[in-house]
Amino acid sequence: ETGVTQTPRHLVMGMTNKKSLKCEQHLGHNAMYWYKQSAKKPLELMFVYSLEERVENNSVPSRFSPECPNSSHLFLHLHTLQPEDSALYLCASSQDDLRGGDTQYFGPGTRLTVL
Amino acid sequence: AQSVTQLGSHVSVSEGALVLLRCNYSSSVPPYLFWYVQYPNQGLQLLLKYTTGATLVKGINGFEAEFKKSETSFHLTKPSAHMSDAAEYFCAVSGPGGGSNYKLTFGKGTLLTVNP
Repeated sequence: ETGVTQTPRHLVMGMTNKKSLKCEQHLGHNAMYWYKQSAKKPLELMFVYSLEERVENNSVPSRFSPECPNSSHLFLHLHTLQPEDSALYLCASSQDDLRGGDTQYFGPGTRLTVL
Repeated sequence: AQSVTQLGSHVSVSEGALVLLRCNYSSSVPPYLFWYVQYPNQGLQLLLKYTTGATLVKGINGFEAEFKKSETSFHLTKPSAHMSDAAEYFCAVSGPGGGSNYKLTFGKGTLLTVNP
């Protein structure tokens, strides 16, 4: 595997379910990100981790819980979601310690549908 | 706070025609500027970026963009469109001008359609 991978690619869940999204980067990067992409809206930054430490929680509801066990892996744990949480969830990574101008490399995303 | 405006949510061109996708930003100081492309069912891929130096930036797949500070613009162009260019294009800014330097602020995207 190369680049940034995400699993699963598609997920359908009920509002009472608990599920997790997984992201893995094979680039040796130090920073990882979760974004939400909804129709007709700009990409929204949700969480940022640098060297496995959370540095950003962009006012995300507590029903989304991130986890970064090491610099290569990032999880997004989901519970009691709402239908409006249906979106494409993108993971990204960047090389350096959150420097401006650093390129973020994106995974293919997980298409989440909440019924 | 920084903001990005992409004029035209949908642009349609004929194959072989010029592609021009517009991006304007608001920032008190010149930021770092990016163009990303998203093909269907895929993530975002970097086309090009401007950080410092030459204001005309060349990217992949024949695209280029010019940073114009006086116009606060970073428009994306390609001389001759190809069918494979059909995708959604996102302009983004980060760096000086507000917030943490690493944060990317994205525009809403422009969907490019290429007609045969």
